[in-house]
Amino acid sequence: KAGVTQTPRYLIKTRGQQVTLSCSPISGHRSVSWYQQTPGQGLQFLFEYFSETQRNKGNFPGRFSGRQFSNSRSEMNVSTLELGDSALYLCASHPVPGSSYNEQFFGPGTRLTVL
Amino acid sequence: AQSVTQPDIHITVSEGASLELRCNYSYGATPYLFWYVQSPGQGLQLLLKYFSGDTLVQGIKGFEAEFKRSQSSFNLRKPSVHWSDAAEYFCAVTSGNTPLVFGKGTRLSVIA
Repeated sequence: KAGVTQTPRYLIKTRGQQVTLSCSPISGHRSVSWYQQTPGQGLQFLFEYFSETQRNKGNFPGRFSGRQFSNSRSEMNVSTLELGDSALYLCASHPVPGSSYNEQFFGPGTRLTVL
Repeated sequence: AQSVTQPDIHITVSEGASLELRCNYSYGATPYLFWYVQSPGQGLQLLLKYFSGDTLVQGIKGFEAEFKRSQSSFNLRKPSVHWSDAAEYFCAVTSGNTPLVFGKGTRLSVIA
């Protein structure tokens, strides 16, 4: 079974631009969670989607948004990029919410650099 | 609120030596606990997890962890470290229906 895939793997943007990151979960998994990883803050939860609905949201500004499609693929968008948005963005897939928080499978991440 | 503390930012061990990485959590009810490993430029790989039952859990790559409720700890151990174990290790906790909360991580270096 193929793992979680994230595209692109690397991205360079300038301040003020916007960016869209994509995540394809493991086949059959219906939940997708997004995390931001930075050296200073570590791994922080952004949001979780199940059946095209946002189920949980972390403490991030409204510039960070996401969505999920009917095939469970998910995208996250960051508008008006700031230097502090430079991070590794990780996507995790799990079969269903609730009990599935018990195990999440992570993708390789998208490395975003904001100049 | 849930929280996870990994007191050691960086640990260096000799190849073949034993390893223990510490993890303390703060959570009112019975937690679900995890250890993940991250190699440079990679995502997170699950090493092991604790949900309930036997407090000593075995994982992949020869790792094990022991859940100690009285100490709110879930320390990761390996009897003999290999050079390929050099990576960053993250402890995480969830209630089962909430997002994972991660510790800041412990970077492991292995020397010959």
